[in-house]
Amino acid sequence: GAGVSQSPRYKVTKRGQDVALRCDPISGHVSLYWYRQALGQGPEFLTYFNYEAQQDKSGLPNDRFSAERPEGSISTLTIQRTEQRDSAMYRCASSLGRNTEAFFGQGTRLTVV
Amino acid sequence: DAKTTQPTSMDCAEGRAANLPCNHSTISGNEYVYWYRQIHSQGPQYIIHGLKNNETNEMASLIITEDRKSSTLILPHATLRDTAVYYCIVRVGNSGGYQKVTFGTGTKLQVIP
Repeated sequence: GAGVSQSPRYKVTKRGQDVALRCDPISGHVSLYWYRQALGQGPEFLTYFNYEAQQDKSGLPNDRFSAERPEGSISTLTIQRTEQRDSAMYRCASSLGRNTEAFFGQGTRLTVV
Repeated sequence: DAKTTQPTSMDCAEGRAANLPCNHSTISGNEYVYWYRQIHSQGPQYIIHGLKNNETNEMASLIITEDRKSSTLILPHATLRDTAVYYCIVRVGNSGGYQKVTFGTGTKLQVIP
């Protein structure tokens, strides 16, 4: 596609529910990154994929968070048993390779009530 | 990745050059300096990056000191549309990609008419 696409744009969920956030990277981009951004803060790294391989997941805050990219294209970030502190903007980015600039999507605004 | 220090906010008159400083005194020899900006609620947008030489592109110029401990992003003729939060980050350029990148809080640049 023309840019990184994320869906849904907005998600409101009740505490305790699971949510799945989708990222559709730019076609042909090998690397994909997930970030979380709190209000007034810069993006915080969560995890990174090269093709379908999850290269680094050290930024995932706890085991309720997981991500996958099974075919090396679309990625899903899943948050289980959501808590209010999970409320944030979740951003996905992709790049052609590891050493090239990353392009960010518009993000998914998650609100846990 | 090395930490960076940026002023919290800056003002610049429209049409004048905006000079945004960044300190990265613990930068390693293989770490690049990258600049991104984030306009309102959009995703971060890549601006420019460099290793040790000054760089220029259609958006901005990057001046890196000889000891590489600091850099300055220059927007030569700031417009109102340049009002954004500007992030300076350092990261390994040739391996590792964007994992563990810390964006920090950046500099909020306000361009004044």
